[in-house]
Amino acid sequence: AQSVSQHNHHVILSEAASLELGCNYSYGGTVNLFWYVQYPGQHLQLLLKYFSGDPLVKGIKGFEAEFIKSKFSFNLRKPSVQWSDTAEYFCAVRGSGTYKYIFGTGTRLKVLA
Amino acid sequence: EAGVAQSPRYKIIEKRQSVAFWCNPISGHATLYWYQQILGQGPKLLIQFQNNGVVDDSQLPKDRFSAERLKGVDSTLKIQPAKLEDSAVYLCASSTPQGRYEQYFGPGTRLTVT
Repeated sequence: AQSVSQHNHHVILSEAASLELGCNYSYGGTVNLFWYVQYPGQHLQLLLKYFSGDPLVKGIKGFEAEFIKSKFSFNLRKPSVQWSDTAEYFCAVRGSGTYKYIFGTGTRLKVLA
Repeated sequence: EAGVAQSPRYKIIEKRQSVAFWCNPISGHATLYWYQQILGQGPKLLIQFQNNGVVDDSQLPKDRFSAERLKGVDSTLKIQPAKLEDSAVYLCASSTPQGRYEQYFGPGTRLTVT
């Protein structure tokens, strides 16, 4: 069965610290991978996505993620966080050829000014 | 372009009552999703439409939940009768194959069942 695990539920960082949020998935075929973000009081929105090609994908606001197929992982990174990155981050998987999205439980990031 | 619209934004009902949520997707988006997001959890897909046909409703509690998408545009999600455990945010999203299935989410409806 398809599943997504996000290991960090709450993360607190100071501004300028580096960020890495873990995401592991379980699926027996080709996947499409996504990171969505929900800023306080706002809708869920796409941060970045991976479909094929270069496993290192870049998204908005300086975020990037690396797809490591052998580890079934798609970790989100940012070299230097800002206070405005305070939000909840969700990893999602869509099995290529299926229609269903599976979301992780989310990681709540708080960046201290 | 206008985003995904949902109404109402908030709803409080008593258990065993019924409730309906409305969603208007982005114009031209053929795929529409309804999610349930319980506090502290990620969104869980309830039902997915492609135009006005159901693609996946495997996680929809069909004894109490129903959804329709008439004419392949607006959609309604109904709960009848509601239970306490239905308290959650109900999210609607839409997407298009041309957008590589990136989902655009609405603001959600926060349902409280007392």
